[in-house]
Amino acid sequence: EAQVTQNPRYLITVTGKKLTVTCSQNMNHEYMSWYRQDPGLGLRQIYYSMNVEVTDKGDVPEGYKVSRKEKRNFPLILESPSPNQTSLYFCASSPGLAGGSNEQFFGPGTRLTVL
Amino acid sequence: AQSVTQLDSQVPVFEEAPVELRCNYSSSVSVYLFWYVQYPNQGLQLLLKYLSGSTLVESINGFEAEFNKSQTSFHLRKPSVHISDTAEYFCAVSGTFGNEKLTFGTGTRLTIIP
Repeated sequence: EAQVTQNPRYLITVTGKKLTVTCSQNMNHEYMSWYRQDPGLGLRQIYYSMNVEVTDKGDVPEGYKVSRKEKRNFPLILESPSPNQTSLYFCASSPGLAGGSNEQFFGPGTRLTVL
Repeated sequence: AQSVTQLDSQVPVFEEAPVELRCNYSSSVSVYLFWYVQYPNQGLQLLLKYLSGSTLVESINGFEAEFNKSQTSFHLRKPSVHISDTAEYFCAVSGTFGNEKLTFGTGTRLTIIP
């Protein structure tokens, strides 16, 4: 089954404790992206990657890191989480124009709480 | 750069009544347009998309949206809603050149009243 997977689905942590949220897609998509969803703000892009070893900042990159060593994986790293990073996080992938559009396929989400 | 405005943050509708969820966008280039749906405690799923061709696009569950270039709108409609349509709906836009990001609106929460 074609899908985007994220782990963990739920995470409660404390301020300053480094964490990684994994994202993997099995559709051979070149484009991958991380979003955070907050009430009243919709989805805002954190980072994106157009291909392996190519990453760039989105609209709200502060406090986050990403890497793209393999095409299928795009982990999100919070080196020193703070309470304002409490949010619902979504990973997405897209075939880009190679697939005919910029339609993105979303993972199930990771609900992060930073105390 | 693109932007999306969803003016209605919440829309309550009686079951079997029609509904329209409004979406307006701003862009200096040609666009692709999308509606995504998020059911309670789930991720986002594509509902429908406009890429080119016919300006009226339909989903498999009875929703439709019409691309209106002159009004820069892509409103979502359904003639008769069901309880199962309760969800949050997001309009999104991207440019048509290269692998461009999706820019999302702030979402409209559709609540169906029995």
